[in-house]
Amino acid sequence: GAVVSQHPSRVICKSGTSVKIECRSLDFQATTMFWYRQFPKQSLMLMATSNEGSKATYEQGVEKDKFLINHASLTLSTLTVTSAHPEDSSFYICSARDRETQYFGPGTRLLVL
Amino acid sequence: GENVEQHPSTLSVQEGDSAVIKCTYSDSASNYFPWYKQELGKGPQLIIDIRSNVGEKKDQRIAVTLNKTAKHFSLHITETQPEDSAVYFCAASGRISGGSYIPTFGRGTSLIVHP
Repeated sequence: GAVVSQHPSRVICKSGTSVKIECRSLDFQATTMFWYRQFPKQSLMLMATSNEGSKATYEQGVEKDKFLINHASLTLSTLTVTSAHPEDSSFYICSARDRETQYFGPGTRLLVL
Repeated sequence: GENVEQHPSTLSVQEGDSAVIKCTYSDSASNYFPWYKQELGKGPQLIIDIRSNVGEKKDQRIAVTLNKTAKHFSLHITETQPEDSAVYFCAASGRISGGSYIPTFGRGTSLIVHP
């Protein structure tokens, strides 16, 4: 299957700093990428859908000014958590669509101290 | 919108037994049903999928069945092995957001295979 990479895999930061997470589709071009957040022992919570070259569509309750998403190319999308706080600590997972199928990245564990 | 129910939340089996995970969905327009396996600390991996024009699909020890009339679909794992232990998510794809069909996920099933 298709490969999606995510970087970094783990990040620890101080409260108030910003963190950028990169998501890349390695062997296909993805016009649509998705960002999810997952709490321990829970399902995947969709944060936003991003289409290459256009603004992301955020799910209800997700702050667009806090979670900045950029999808500048067909193989790269970034999620920036701005002014991170401890409650933003979570597992963030991106996915990229290849035709009808979504392929997920390995996830980024964010810990805000 | 779409609503996906997944059962059971936890499933414990002995190595070699079969495991069945069931999902129901609400939107009759959904036409794509993937299953994902997520190991601890990793992202979900697609293991099998089925489209609405097919009733059953099999890949070695894994099979998926779909009943569109009843809006049910199930994952069957035969001859389970300890490495099958993981959380399994079903999904139904029918909701549109930002111009794209996006899947609605079930809440997950934690499968534990005892050696």
